[in-house]
Amino acid sequence: AQSVTQPDIHITVSEGASLELRCNYSYGATPYLFWYVQSPGQGLQLLLKYFSGDTLVQGIKGFEAEFKRSQSSFNLRKPSVHWSDAAEYFCAVADTSGTYKYIFGTGTRLKVLA
Amino acid sequence: EAGVAQSPRYKIIEKRQSVAFWCNPISGHATLYWYQQILGQGPKLLIQFQNNGVVDDSQLPKDRFSAERLKGVDSTLKIQPAKLEDSAVYLCASSLDRVGTEAFFGQGTRLTVV
Repeated sequence: AQSVTQPDIHITVSEGASLELRCNYSYGATPYLFWYVQSPGQGLQLLLKYFSGDTLVQGIKGFEAEFKRSQSSFNLRKPSVHWSDAAEYFCAVADTSGTYKYIFGTGTRLKVLA
Repeated sequence: EAGVAQSPRYKIIEKRQSVAFWCNPISGHATLYWYQQILGQGPKLLIQFQNNGVVDDSQLPKDRFSAERLKGVDSTLKIQPAKLEDSAVYLCASSLDRVGTEAFFGQGTRLTVV
């Protein structure tokens, strides 16, 4: 069965510092992988996605993520965090066998210090 | 392109009452999902429709929750009777079921059961 683990519940960084949010997944084949962001009171917005090809994917708002098959990881990174990046971040894996079932991690809440 | 529409945005009910949520997916999206997001947790899939049919409802508490998708477009999710632990945000999402696409989310309905 699919599963997603986000080991960090909360992360605090200073504005301008670099950021890495961890995501590990469990899936029998090559999955579809996503990072979504959720601001307070809002729905989920897609930051980036990976299906195949280049294992380093670029997303919106300056985010990138790297797929590492050997580590079953899909970590999200940003070189310089802005105060507006404070939000909750969810990693998700989608089934590739045809059901398109999306499973989400428990999320990482990012706090940005001015 | 219009997004996923959900209503109402907020609902407060007493325990043992019933409540219904409505979702209108993005036009042309075959798959529709209902997720439950309890405060501090990641979204949990309740039910997934592909056109009119149910693909997965393994985590839907069927003794109190029901969902339908009329004519493969709009969907309603009902809770009857509600319990305190049903307090959560209910997210609707839709997707194209095509390689390279992702799920698009509505803003959600925040349910408070008192």
